[in-house]
Amino acid sequence: DSGVTQTPKHLITATGQRVTLRCSPRSGDLSVYWYQQSLDQGLQFLIHYYNGEERAKGNILERFSAQQFPDLHSELNLSSLELGDSALYFCASSGGQVFRGYTFGSGTRLTVV
Amino acid sequence: AQSVTQPDIHITVSEGASLELRCNYSYGATPYLFWYVQSPGQGLQLLLKYFSGDTLVQGIKGFEAEFKRSQSSFNLRKPSVHWSDAAEYVCAVGSAGNMLTFGGGTRLMVKP
Repeated sequence: DSGVTQTPKHLITATGQRVTLRCSPRSGDLSVYWYQQSLDQGLQFLIHYYNGEERAKGNILERFSAQQFPDLHSELNLSSLELGDSALYFCASSGGQVFRGYTFGSGTRLTVV
Repeated sequence: AQSVTQPDIHITVSEGASLELRCNYSYGATPYLFWYVQSPGQGLQLLLKYFSGDTLVQGIKGFEAEFKRSQSSFNLRKPSVHWSDAAEYVCAVGSAGNMLTFGGGTRLMVKP
């Protein structure tokens, strides 16, 4: 157990639908990062939040949005889903005072049918 | 801008053989360097990291990596590979206050 919790682990939904992925960072970590990993692809950075504020955006589609709540958990919202959105979505967290790298959750596997 | 290159997309080694996975980076300052391992359908697990000091760092599962500033490299090594080491290995570079940049990964296959 890495300490970063992602739910759900698996999600199957139809095209055009909307889903919400949830991430609870490791205790004490203020930063949350979201990544997308399509089949046989590397990690694609989506967005970074630090203590509730958006800090950086990567190649995140306009159909996707995220937020970090006061208790530091984060949600990634994916709407108007397309077949190509099928992927593993990872959340990672890192510490506030001392940077020690990222701790990853086990991911949410999204399948759009 | 920082970048990470892992030149080998796939590597196959025999069980018991030695292993070296290459990682080259581009970074404007002293980097923090990381190696992660990802088993199929799983998240990334930290193998080892380099922040400063001794350029040879030891990690979990018998892995080590050496930071070579002159070559901008941080290669991962293991003296004797086990079948359970088959996985994706990902190198990353960054620093405090800067986000990590990840390489494309190297898929390791182990022959019996």
